[in-house]
Amino acid sequence: DVKVTQSSRYLVKRTGEKVFLECVQDMDHENMFWYRQDPGLGLRLIYFSYDVKMKEKGDIPEGYSVSREKKERFSLILESASTNQTSMYLCASSSRPGQRSDEKLFFGSGTQLSVL
Amino acid sequence: AQKVTQAQTEISVVEKEDVTLDCVYETRDTTYYLFWYKQPPSGELVFLIRRNSFDEQNEISGRYSWNFQKSTSSFNFTITASQVVDSAVYFCALSRDGGFKTIFGAGTRLFVKA
Repeated sequence: DVKVTQSSRYLVKRTGEKVFLECVQDMDHENMFWYRQDPGLGLRLIYFSYDVKMKEKGDIPEGYSVSREKKERFSLILESASTNQTSMYLCASSSRPGQRSDEKLFFGSGTQLSVL
Repeated sequence: AQKVTQAQTEISVVEKEDVTLDCVYETRDTTYYLFWYKQPPSGELVFLIRRNSFDEQNEISGRYSWNFQKSTSSFNFTITASQVVDSAVYFCALSRDGGFKTIFGAGTRLFVKA
């Protein structure tokens, strides 16, 4: 069964802490994504990566950075967590466009982050 | 710019009722892809359907059906004879290239009561 795994389901951090959210996929996908989900706003793209060591800003990258040292792993970093970063964070992956006709996003179960 | 609007924030129905979830999209691309995803209480979004802009045929899969109309930029989702297990948040989404950068609507939370 193919999987996108996020390391934590729930996380509580203090304002100013450095926070790492980890995501691993076992589908050999080229593309990986970090979204945040907030009520009434749906999913908003933070960062994405189309290859190892490559990254692109999404729609709301401020306050975040990412790391992709290996194809299967994509990390989201909050350099100095703030209360407005309290949210559900969803990781997703997909194959490279054009490789398959059934391209879609595969999601992890999410990490609910609370910043106090 | 691309945009997806799901005007219905929450819908509540009684089991066995039919329910339609609306989705309106905006894009200047001539080639694009539309999706529906389901998010059950467990949190993981699950893919339901993908449609490309050249295929306006409606699709039926069991109790689920989708109506794609380019003339009104809509991609509506109907659940026939709803069941309690259909309770979830449903997201409509739009992508320029199918598996890459995807824009999501705000989601519609569906409650199906027994």
